[in-house]
Amino acid sequence: GENVEQHPSTLSVQEGDSAVIKCTYSDSASNYFPWYKQELGKRPQLIIDIRSNVGEKKDQRIAVTLNKTAKHFSLHITETQPEDSAVYFCAASKRNTPLVFGKGTRLSVIA
Amino acid sequence: EAGVVQSPRYKIIEKKQPVAFWCNPISGHNTLYWYLQNLGQGPELLIRYENEEAVDDSQLPKDRFSAERLKGVDSTLKIQPAELGDSAVYLCASSPGGLAFTGELFFGEGSRLTVL
Repeated sequence: GENVEQHPSTLSVQEGDSAVIKCTYSDSASNYFPWYKQELGKRPQLIIDIRSNVGEKKDQRIAVTLNKTAKHFSLHITETQPEDSAVYFCAASKRNTPLVFGKGTRLSVIA
Repeated sequence: EAGVVQSPRYKIIEKKQPVAFWCNPISGHNTLYWYLQNLGQGPELLIRYENEEAVDDSQLPKDRFSAERLKGVDSTLKIQPAELGDSAVYLCASSPGGLAFTGELFFGEGSRLTVL
């Protein structure tokens, strides 16, 4: 089955700096790669996703890049703000299979 | 529109006691998921339903865990008897589109279980 590895497990950045979180997946047939943000005690919420027919997708300060050959994808957050502090999860799936999540990255943005 | 509703939000029980969690998905979402989230970890699938049919339950510890979605709408996850290692957050999620769907999962707030 699919295996998703996520790095780093914790990340601290100064407010205004960029943050990058990386994930690798094992199943070359996976074609959907979402990123979820989970604030303390809250539900995971989708912040951006990318499908395998696209190499990059951007939404304001967040972007995701996908390298299908290397089987890795990354989340980029620019101009970080204190409200970006949360746990971020990457995930991967393909048709007829449920999402498999990474272990998460705890991002702390220091004001 | 109401999101995914779960109850209870918090539950504290003694080991060997039974516990049940309830989930009501977003209206019209025919796929329902139960995920387990241990502290500091990502969600792990326990079971997935397509309407009332369990289509993915290989990760559900069937000796103590059971789930049902009798009318293809709300669902109950039960643990009997609970063990100390079951302390975790139990997340319910739903999605439209059926099994072939690949897209956003909508999560509930979760039910946090503490077993003493």
